[in-house]
Amino acid sequence: KNEVEQSPQNLTAQEGEFITINCSYSVGISALHWLQQHPGGGIVSLFMLSSGKKKHGRLIATINIQEKHSSLHITASHPRDSAVYICAVKGTAGGTSYGKLTFGQGTILTVHP
Amino acid sequence: GAVVSQHPSRVICKSGTSVKIECRSLDFQATTMFWYRQFPKQSLMLMATSNEGSKATYEQGVEKDKFLINHASLTLSTLTVTSAHPEDSSFYICSAPTPSGVSTDTQYFGPGTRLTVL
Repeated sequence: KNEVEQSPQNLTAQEGEFITINCSYSVGISALHWLQQHPGGGIVSLFMLSSGKKKHGRLIATINIQEKHSSLHITASHPRDSAVYICAVKGTAGGTSYGKLTFGQGTILTVHP
Repeated sequence: GAVVSQHPSRVICKSGTSVKIECRSLDFQATTMFWYRQFPKQSLMLMATSNEGSKATYEQGVEKDKFLINHASLTLSTLTVTSAHPEDSSFYICSAPTPSGVSTDTQYFGPGTRLTVL
């Protein structure tokens, strides 16, 4: 079993729909990242969370540390949101492990007009 | 915001040659950088942690003599794929976390380098 599991693996939506992507992890973490990777390959960090909830535009990320679960929500989805969304966790170990991330397998989101 | 650059963005080489990929942090100092490999339709796989001033730390199964990492300065890490073979064809990405203690603790990713070995 992977340390970081995402669901669903593939998600298709119509423009305007509300979208949720889930991430569960099994290790202790100091932070969780939500990343966006477009078809060209470049990766952008959308959020870094250690507790609670963050909002940026149409994107909302929440995390429940006790349940080891995080969700990424997209409101009023748009075709330009089509991308791979990746959940990544940073462990609690320090020293040479500083910043090291463990990745989920990614969720491929396709939003149709 | 902080930017991490990679060069080249795309490279095609013949089997047996060596290829060097550069990763630069453009407006912050990165004592640590990470190198990842991503195969088609798969997630990122950490290859190694590049540490300025010391040897890189390689993940299990990654050949350190094949993937040479040099963290030459606080803003530059290089990955050299030596004696490349077609199975090394992949998308290579670097990332750099903001320095320890900085309040905006996050991680910046390079745009990636697509390597094709013929």
